[in-house]
This record gives sequence, C-alpha cells and structure tokens, in this order.
Amino acid sequence: QQPVQSPQAVILREGEDAVINCSSSKALYSVHWYRQKHGEAPVFLMILLKGGEQKGHEKISASFNEKKQQSSLYLTASQLSYSGTYFCGTAQETSGSRLTFGEGTQLTVNP
Amino acid sequence: NAGVTQTPKFQVLKTGQSMTLQCAQDMNHNSMYWYRQDPGMGLRLIYYSASEGTTDKGEVPNGYNVSRLNKREFSLRLESAAPSQTSVYFCASSTRGPGSGANVLTFGAGSRLTVL
Repeated sequence: QQPVQSPQAVILREGEDAVINCSSSKALYSVHWYRQKHGEAPVFLMILLKGGEQKGHEKISASFNEKKQQSSLYLTASQLSYSGTYFCGTAQETSGSRLTFGEGTQLTVNP
Repeated sequence: NAGVTQTPKFQVLKTGQSMTLQCAQDMNHNSMYWYRQDPGMGLRLIYYSASEGTTDKGEVPNGYNVSRLNKREFSLRLESAAPSQTSVYFCASSTRGPGSGANVLTFGAGSRLTVL
C-alpha cells in the first residue's frame, strides 16, 4: 500500500528548515528516503529500520516512529542543493514485502 | 564505476510498435528492478528479478515483459506500445533482495518513452 507524503510541495529560502512526513496505514519494517533532482535519477539518502531510530546525513536527518507507522525527514539550514523531489519508500512488516514509494514532495530552495 | 546504465535515454514510438529497454549494472548486485515514473504518482514497480534466473511481477506489469539475461543485465520489453505507456522508466539494482525490506536501490539515469 502506497505511503502518504506531506506536504506535496514546499518552498523555502536558503537557511530555513523543513520537515517532510511519510505515513502508512500498515505496520512497517523499514522506511527509505530518496532525493531526485530534476531530470535525474533518484538517489538514496538513508534507510531507517524498525526500532524508532533517528539517522543523520550532514544537515538532513530522519526519524521513524514504528508505533505510528510514520517517518519524518528533517532538512536543517537548507541549501540550494537540497532542491528536488523527496520520496519515501516503505516496506511493510510482512515477509517478502517489497518497497512501495510515496508520490513525492517537491522541495524548492530559493536564494 | 558506471553503476546502472540504461539505453536508450529517449525513444518515440507509434502505437503498436515494440521496443526493448536495456539495463546493465556493474556493481555485482543480485537484484534488479524496472520502475515507471508518472507525474504525481511516484515510482511504481513493473517487474523485478530477485536473483539471476528469476523474475516476478510488480505493481503494474500489464503490457510488459522482462528478461534477466545474466547477473548484469535486465531488459524490459513493450510488445505493443500504447499511449498509456508514455512514461519515464528507471532501472535499479540492489545487493539485497526485494523482500528484505532493507534493499538500498541504485537507479539508472532513466529512459523517457513517448508513445504517439
């Protein structure tokens, strides 16, 4: 079942913060985050496995609340290079569950 | 390292024509995938191959066939193209299998297909 991302789009000024949310109605085993710049391939950012951990990648971090079946991606002090579409992918807590992607959140960072 | 290479990058077809999208990876990954990306719909899995010699249907397999030629190569064929198959197609690969929940995907650059 496709996860739901919010917001669909966000516009920031350089240096501002943003949060992108991803939620599922099913119990999750893992949440993956990818970023896709216009006209390019999606690129892996991070994976969060069941356990409610938080991960970081420079000024981009994420959390996973397995009880609520939700994950949030935090972008701190945004840079122009952060612009792109962010996708979450979720794997349900059933054996053999495949990754299902959300519709994406378009992030634009302006000078 | 080239990573995941897809050909062609662009293709225009007429309804009813056939074509094959080629994908090759040089990372010694076991699993390979074909996704399509349409505006506002994210990435949808067409077919995947968990390991050499196996293929399975994904979310949207109708109208497509695949071949896992060897460990490196995974092709996607449209036998009779339809306008609904106009999309951007991405090939991806991963070390772990699709059922692991922890399969990190490396994507190719994409193939933009237009069916008139």
